[in-house]
Amino acid sequence: GESVGLHLPTLSVQEGDNSIINCAYSNSASDYFIWYKQESGKGPQFIIDIRSNMDKRQGQRVTVLLNKTVKHLSLQIAATQPGDSAVYFCAENLTGNQFYFGTGTSLTVIP
Amino acid sequence: DTAVSQTPKYLVTQMGNDKSIKCEQNLGHDTMYWYKQDSKKFLKIMFSYNNKELIINETVPNRFSPKSPDKAHLNLHINSLELGDSAVYFCASSHGPRQPQHFGDGTRLSIL
Repeated sequence: GESVGLHLPTLSVQEGDNSIINCAYSNSASDYFIWYKQESGKGPQFIIDIRSNMDKRQGQRVTVLLNKTVKHLSLQIAATQPGDSAVYFCAENLTGNQFYFGTGTSLTVIP
Repeated sequence: DTAVSQTPKYLVTQMGNDKSIKCEQNLGHDTMYWYKQDSKKFLKIMFSYNNKELIINETVPNRFSPKSPDKAHLNLHINSLELGDSAVYFCASSHGPRQPQHFGDGTRLSIL
């Protein structure tokens, strides 16, 4: 399954399938990006980050892709599990402590 | 062993009151933040401190005043609460600027 953009989309995927969550960031000068996962009633939790000198970074079951040309970031989750159900945010950083968060994508995993 | 803890978890109060939210981190981080999350889940930074020094003060009404007594604490005091202040407020910390943040579980503020 795949989602697009900053309009708080919802994405439903079957357990075991791969998920792709997309994010269009706003500032072409931003050079550091983070993906967070927020479960209901909890604070955002760090998943993976990437700096602009890279276009791909892999973690455990997750991959972040960065396309600076079109200001696009994606999070790929392999073999999605029910525990992956949450709202996912991308955040961009231009300088210092200032992070701008996207509006989030709600992922629901269907067992 | 909660890394970033906020109190209270829920805060229900009337318009016009003054309230405080406390935040403590035991991660040894130098940087702390306050964020506001609205009903549509939009997260916006309010304040950021480095080593007790205010670094970021976004366009936030001056009814909101952060206070950092030491590097491990960043409290948020809100005067004359308004209906529009209803939201979830998150405290976070990081090793320094441009580093992943660790968030608390939020304080849900409801104004009657």
